[in-house]
Amino acid sequence: NAGVTQTPKFRILKIGQSMTLQCTQDMNHNYMYWYRQDPGMGLKLIYYSVGAGITDKGEVPNGYNVSRSTTEDFPLRLELAAPSQTSVYFCASSYSLSSAGHDNEQFFGPGTRLTVL
Amino acid sequence: AQSVSQHNHHVILSEAASLELGCNYSYGGTVNLFWYVQYPGQHLQLLLKYFSGDPLVKGIKGFEAEFIKSKFSFNLRKPSVQWSDTAEYFCAVNSYDMRFGAGTRLTVKP
Repeated sequence: NAGVTQTPKFRILKIGQSMTLQCTQDMNHNYMYWYRQDPGMGLKLIYYSVGAGITDKGEVPNGYNVSRSTTEDFPLRLELAAPSQTSVYFCASSYSLSSAGHDNEQFFGPGTRLTVL
Repeated sequence: AQSVSQHNHHVILSEAASLELGCNYSYGGTVNLFWYVQYPGQHLQLLLKYFSGDPLVKGIKGFEAEFIKSKFSFNLRKPSVQWSDTAEYFCAVNSYDMRFGAGTRLTVKP
């Protein structure tokens, strides 16, 4: 049981380039999330998905796109990389949706460190 | 919108000292509460969580946290820290979505 896996671990992009960050989970979780982590800012939700074919914006979605064609995979796409997107990106998944009263612990992947120059 | 405040940005302690990290949130409804830890170069791992029941929650590695509803707080404690506890600690609150605090960096000196 690998949990949540992410690739690549590190990437350097030039301004204007595009790339896809991969995320896969093998826990059969319906709910998946993308966060970015910036120093002193905690984690900010970019996008989330409640199941295959269903995605929604989080707190900081601008400059990103997502898709969810399968339960296991939730890739994050940067179309036109900008220096402001330099960050560490974490994918997470949970058994239940973020709602009080249920065990909605999120399991995190190892992260992708992205630098845009 | 709900928000999470962690009072200390950076805490430096000597080994065997006691630890308390503050966490306050702003949301009036029912919430689930979490503390995550991130060791250097690693991903976030769950320390402990609260959903209901006993407001004193025990987690891994000797950590515990107390939910005080009247104070909207969920402070993390450990009676005696070790060098290996050096990490960043995040409080998170979940009602209709998950919100994280900015994190507290803990440095434990041997």
